Amino acid sequence: GENVEQHPSTLSVQEGDSAVIKCTYSDSASNYFPWYKQELGKGPQLIIDIRSNVGEKKDQRIAVTLNKTAKHFSLHITETQPEDSAVYFCAARRGSARQLTFGSGTQLTVLP
Amino acid sequence: NAGVTQTPKFQVLKTGQSMTLQCAQDMNHNSMYWYRQDPGMGLRLIYYSASEGTTDKGEVPNGYNVSRLNKREFSLRLESAAPSQTSVYFCASSPRGGPSGANVLTFGAGSRLTVL
Repeated sequence: GENVEQHPSTLSVQEGDSAVIKCTYSDSASNYFPWYKQELGKGPQLIIDIRSNVGEKKDQRIAVTLNKTAKHFSLHITETQPEDSAVYFCAARRGSARQLTFGSGTQLTVLP
Repeated sequence: NAGVTQTPKFQVLKTGQSMTLQCAQDMNHNSMYWYRQDPGMGLRLIYYSASEGTTDKGEVPNGYNVSRLNKREFSLRLESAAPSQTSVYFCASSPRGGPSGANVLTFGAGSRLTVL
């Protein structure tokens, strides 16, 4: 089955700096890669996703890049703000699969 | 619009006791899921229901049973709780469970279960 590794497990940045979280996946047939944000005491919520036919996708301060050859994808957050502090999960799914495989999560802390 | 509602939010059990976690969604989604979240292990799928009347095992199904009661409700049952089942449980739903499309998950707020 699919295996998704996520790094780092914790990340602290100063407010206004950029944050990058990286994930690698094992199944070359995976074609859908979402990122979920989990705020304290809440369930995860989708913030951005990318399909395998696209190399990069942006939505305001967040962006995701995908390198299919290397089988890795990354989340980039620019101009970080305190409200960006949360746990972030990457995930991957094969086209024929019915469910996502999640990474282990990254606790992002934005320091004022 | 409530989205996905889970009950209870907190529960403490003794080893061997049984309990059922309830989940309901009001978005007319076809597919529903149960995940567990443990430190350093992310979200692991326990069971899912691609559509009303069907259920399938996920990555970690041992010790659990599920029931898709109707299109709205999907319950998770622990028949004989063990300390290894101490975790935070999340229910989620999506418009469809098939391979096409983005299949965006909407999660509930979670249920924290402690087994002593």
